[in-house]
Amino acid sequence: NAGVTQTPKFQVLKTGQSMTLQCAQDMNHEYMSWYRQDPGMGLRLIHYSVGAGITDQGEVPNGYNVSRSTTEDFPLRLLSAAPSQTSVYFCASSRGQAGGEQFFGPGTRLTVL
Amino acid sequence: DQQVKQNSPSLSVQEGRISILNCDYTNSMFDYFLWYKKYPAEGPTFLISISSIKDKNEDGRFTVFLNKSAKHLSLHIVPSQPGDSAVYFCAASLLPYNAGKSTFGDGTTLTVKP
Repeated sequence: NAGVTQTPKFQVLKTGQSMTLQCAQDMNHEYMSWYRQDPGMGLRLIHYSVGAGITDQGEVPNGYNVSRSTTEDFPLRLLSAAPSQTSVYFCASSRGQAGGEQFFGPGTRLTVL
Repeated sequence: DQQVKQNSPSLSVQEGRISILNCDYTNSMFDYFLWYKKYPAEGPTFLISISSIKDKNEDGRFTVFLNKSAKHLSLHIVPSQPGDSAVYFCAASLLPYNAGKSTFGDGTTLTVKP
């Protein structure tokens, strides 16, 4: 069991570039979420999904898109990167209706110049 | 308006003593509370949780207390060990027993000195 995997680990972008952060889980979890963590702050919810084909916005969704075509994968797309999106991004999954905690990936550290 | 607050950014304790980490929340609709531990350059890992229908939950050296009237929860670690040094996040969910859409506090950095 790999758990929750994220790629890449590190990324540097220029303002205006686009990219996709990948997230995959092999635990057959219903729910998946994307968070960002800025220095000295907690995790803030960007988008989440309660199942394949169903997504919704979290607290800080602007500038990000998501889709969920399979149970396993939940990519996060940055449409036009801005310096304010410099952060560490964490993907998480949880059992959903069956309850319980979230399992987090190792994170992607993104710098936008 | 921050709905989950951890007012102490840092805490330092001696090995073997008790560590008490605190968390306050403002939304009375929160139903499920969790503590996560995070080491540098890693993702958070789950530590312990408590449902709003309980006031205490224990797991080994870790105990979480919930005071709903005060909208306050605390994490007790007894005895503290150097390996417990990490950032601890309090999280709250509106869903019963389901952390899928949680609101996090800003974290408390715990340092346990040998």
